[in-house]
Amino acid sequence: TQLLEQSPQFLSIQEGENLTVYCNSSSVFSSLQWYRQEPGEGPVLLVTVVTGGEVKKLKRLTFQFGDARKDSSLHITAAQPGDTGLYLCAGEGDSSYKLIFGSGTRLLVRP
Amino acid sequence: KAGVTQTPRYLIKTRGQQVTLSCSPISGHRSVSWYQQTPGQGLQFLFEYFSETQRNKGNFPGRFSGRQFSNSRSEMNVSTLELGDSALYLCASSYESGNTIYFGEGSWLTVV
Repeated sequence: TQLLEQSPQFLSIQEGENLTVYCNSSSVFSSLQWYRQEPGEGPVLLVTVVTGGEVKKLKRLTFQFGDARKDSSLHITAAQPGDTGLYLCAGEGDSSYKLIFGSGTRLLVRP
Repeated sequence: KAGVTQTPRYLIKTRGQQVTLSCSPISGHRSVSWYQQTPGQGLQFLFEYFSETQRNKGNFPGRFSGRQFSNSRSEMNVSTLELGDSALYLCASSYESGNTIYFGEGSWLTVV
């Protein structure tokens, strides 16, 4: 069974601080995706990483895919209150028709 | 371009009842998948449909079922509701598997 573990589960930080969220698995994934979900809404795709060792940047967000394609990280620089939300990593399961989601990291950025 | 539309947004049902949730995918999208989101279990895959055919199913009991119509709209049904079925049910669509999926806002189901 493919599982994705995210850490930390909860994170409360002050505006301007940096943070890193981790997504780990013992299984190899062909790709990993990161989503952000805000209260009352569905998850919104932030990025997809495909190649081992790949690094992608989206403004203040930096995403990295592990060399072995078993883990990924999301780093936010100078967090802002607008970054508050639930961050989810997801990988394709045993078929490309379903995604396996991590348990999520709930981020609160205090002004 | 309209997003994924789910109805109803909120509903309350009694144990033992059944419920049907509806999902209209983004125009042109042929793949529709359903997920259940709960605080304890997170987001879990229910099933995926493409051209009216179920291509994959998650580890949920047979009380959970779905279907897709020729216009790609999809419904999911839960029979004999249990308290543990209380959750946010999310529908997502994509043009084809492997493409970016887009989620709807979800249907909040409370079973009392």
